[in-house]
Amino acid sequence: DAGVTQSPTHLIKTRGQQVTLRCSPKSGHDTVSWYQQALGQGPQFIFQYYEEEERQRGNFPDRFSGHQFPNYSSELNVNALLLGDSALYLCASSYTLQTGSYEQYFGPGTRLTVT
Amino acid sequence: AQSVSQHNHHVILSEAASLELGCNYSYGGTVNLFWYVQYPGQHLQLLLKYFSGDPLVKGIKGFEAEFIKSKFSFNLRKPSVQWSDTAEYFCAVNPLTGGGNKLTFGTGTQLKVEL
Repeated sequence: DAGVTQSPTHLIKTRGQQVTLRCSPKSGHDTVSWYQQALGQGPQFIFQYYEEEERQRGNFPDRFSGHQFPNYSSELNVNALLLGDSALYLCASSYTLQTGSYEQYFGPGTRLTVT
Repeated sequence: AQSVSQHNHHVILSEAASLELGCNYSYGGTVNLFWYVQYPGQHLQLLLKYFSGDPLVKGIKGFEAEFIKSKFSFNLRKPSVQWSDTAEYFCAVNPLTGGGNKLTFGTGTQLKVEL
């Protein structure tokens, strides 16, 4: 049973460019969350997708957008890249219970470097 | 805004020593609590979780954590650490009302276990 997978593993982009990161959730999971982890920091919540809609959003600008497909996989898009966007981008999947309680399983991340 | 504080940023222990890592959160409502671990070169893995019930929860590899609601704390413990426990440990909180469906992480504690 494959866990959460992300692609690509590493990416180097130039300021002003746009980037798309991809995530496939763990089998049986229907919810995908995206996090940004800067060096030496804990992951910070970007947004969460459920039933192909953005359900919750963290404190990130509109340059960060996403999408969830019918097969539950997801994309994170970042426009007009800044040097400060350099970070490890983590995807996490989960199955949302009726109680609202759930646990998230993380992928290996995509290391984005903006030069 | 809710926050999670991990008081120890770097901890160095000898093998067989006892471990306690502190975690405090600032949210007054019902919460789910988690400890994640990131071993060198690996992705974030769930160590243990608290949803409800017994405030003393046991996780993998001999770790346990105690939820003390009155202190807004969820400290991680292990009676006897091993060299293989060298890793970064993150405490995370998910509030079930208001700002639910997202994890807020602490900044992490880097644990080094020496032989």
